[in-house]
Amino acid sequence: DGGITQSPKYLFRKEGQNVTLSCEQNLNHDAMYWYRQDPGQGLRLIYYSQIVNDFQKGDIAEGYSVSREKKESFPLTVTSAQKNPTAFYLCASSVDGGGLGYGYTFGSGTRLTVV
Amino acid sequence: AQSVTQLGSHVSVSEGALVLLRCNYSSSVPPYLFWYVQYPNQGLQLLLKYTTGATLVKGINGFEAEFKKSETSFHLTKPSAHMSDAAEYFCAVSDRNFGNEKLTFGTGTRLTIIP
Repeated sequence: DGGITQSPKYLFRKEGQNVTLSCEQNLNHDAMYWYRQDPGQGLRLIYYSQIVNDFQKGDIAEGYSVSREKKESFPLTVTSAQKNPTAFYLCASSVDGGGLGYGYTFGSGTRLTVV
Repeated sequence: AQSVTQLGSHVSVSEGALVLLRCNYSSSVPPYLFWYVQYPNQGLQLLLKYTTGATLVKGINGFEAEFKKSETSFHLTKPSAHMSDAAEYFCAVSDRNFGNEKLTFGTGTRLTIIP
């Protein structure tokens, strides 16, 4: 079955470390997105990519980095510059970037905790 | 730019009662509208969407929503709440603009079902 796989489901990071969250999709979708979710704040867009080798900053990109070397993969690195990284991270993909009404498909999320 | 407002961050209803979750949008053109559901520690799942045609849209798990252009609303309803409906619900909007357009999400409404 097609879908989006996020790994790991739970991740613990020591302060000062970089960590990378994996997102892989086999839906042949062009666009991929990373969101951060904190209690009571809804979904906040970190980065998005409409096409391979291209990506744009979202609303809260500081302290994060991404790459899009393959259509299927859109990893997110949480760097030591992100001062408050503890959150639930969601990856999503879409056929058309939202322009034709297909909506997004979401992964099951990664919960990152700083210890 | 489009935006969406969900009225009520928390809604409680008794089991068997009507569920009504409110969503109002702002968009310069007729939008695409979506409702997603999120269960604890999971990703978002599409409940239903409005793109064109009939303004009353039926989704999964007995939910439906009506697009009312005059009221710029897309409220989510279910005639009889079930315990399994307890979750967080997100309304989202997207402009009819092919390519390079993102979904904008509301801040979410947490639905609690009282036994």
